[in-house]
Amino acid sequence: KNEVEQSPQNLTAQEGEFITINCSYSVGISALHWLQQHPGGGIVSLFMLSSGKKKHGRLIATINIQEKHSSLHITASHPRDSAVYICAVRVEKLTFGTGTRLTIIP
Amino acid sequence: NAGVTQTPKFRILKIGQSMTLQCTQDMNHNYMYWYRQDPGMGLKLIYYSVGAGITDKGEVPNGYNVSRSTTEDFPLRLELAAPSQTSVYFCASTNLGGDGNTIYFGEGSWLTVV
Repeated sequence: KNEVEQSPQNLTAQEGEFITINCSYSVGISALHWLQQHPGGGIVSLFMLSSGKKKHGRLIATINIQEKHSSLHITASHPRDSAVYICAVRVEKLTFGTGTRLTIIP
Repeated sequence: NAGVTQTPKFRILKIGQSMTLQCTQDMNHNYMYWYRQDPGMGLKLIYYSVGAGITDKGEVPNGYNVSRSTTEDFPLRLELAAPSQTSVYFCASTNLGGDGNTIYFGEGSWLTVV
């Protein structure tokens, strides 16, 4: 069993829809990262969470340490949000989920 | 700040050749990582380092070596390249502890072994 599980693996939605991507992990962590990888490969960090909730523009990330679960939400989704979203947990090393491929259709 | 700089961006190797992927960060981060990403797959950890002089194996270390002689540099060495090492390689760095310690990635190095 992977230490980090993401769901869904693929998600296609219409522009404007509310998007939720889930991440569950099985180890004690010091932090959890949400990352975005666009076609062409570049990876950027969206959030780092150790507790609670963070918001940046239309993106919201939450974490429940007791339940070992995090969610990434996108409000009013737009085609430019189409990317692979990756959850990564950090103890000493970073362990990545396999990613969620999001496609937003105009 | 330049962030994390990886070179080369693209390289074609013949089977059995060796090469070094360079990674440099200018943020004084202690933690540095090398990952590979095969087509359509997730990131797999090759090696990581928690500080100068300290390295440790990740999930897929076979066929690779690393060194960390300085805080800034974390080169990845491929010895006797094999077609299975065709992949995209990412270097990353961060610090542990405290809020706001995000992770930074290099732009990736596309390696093809033929």
